[in-house]
Amino acid sequence: GAVVSQHPSWVICKSGTSVKIECRSLDFQATTMFWYRQFPKQSLMLMATSNEGSKATYEQGVEKDKFLINHASLTLSTLTVTSAHPEDSSFYICSRTGRTNNEQFFGPGTRLTVL
Amino acid sequence: SQQGEEDPQALSIQEGENATMNCSYKTSINNLQWYRQNSGRGLVHLILIRSNEREKHSGRLRVTLDTSKKSSSLLITASRAADTASYFCASIQGAQKLVFGQGTRLTINP
Repeated sequence: GAVVSQHPSWVICKSGTSVKIECRSLDFQATTMFWYRQFPKQSLMLMATSNEGSKATYEQGVEKDKFLINHASLTLSTLTVTSAHPEDSSFYICSRTGRTNNEQFFGPGTRLTVL
Repeated sequence: SQQGEEDPQALSIQEGENATMNCSYKTSINNLQWYRQNSGRGLVHLILIRSNEREKHSGRLRVTLDTSKKSSSLLITASRAADTASYFCASIQGAQKLVFGQGTRLTINP
């Protein structure tokens, strides 16, 4: 069964609003989780590494004030897209590592559409 | 940044045929992983090959790794319609950061 869940699975919002996406590790306490963005027919691009109890680490070119990440517990990380614009429309996927730190377990993704 | 290239970008074959996808990477690796993504879904880990391994099998999957050429291939034998998906290679950079190739969209025609 799924070990990482995301909510919502899809969301449509108006330009200028904020959207929160939740990522839950269902079977494992994850001190580190990852947020990716995927545009149509493209690969996954890592946006940031979410660290429990501390600030997230953002990849180059990702605006930390626009994509707010909170990892308040060992099972929940949230990504808030603030003041969303149509160009933020994308597929957002979270993941966590397993016990060996090799493979990652991915959530089912959240489709964000900004009108 | 993307780790490297995958080819082909798209592959369409008949059910029962073998599908081969290639991946090239740029930096040194400890291991290389392959993932599968069904349309509009998350990724599923398929197989991991370590840098000191040259070939690995898992069911109908066969992965090769050539560290001298910085390339890997994924072979799916006796393909099935359910194998239709996108396939990505990925490697870990730094502590845990996973960097993906551009992916191959595989279509199996019944």
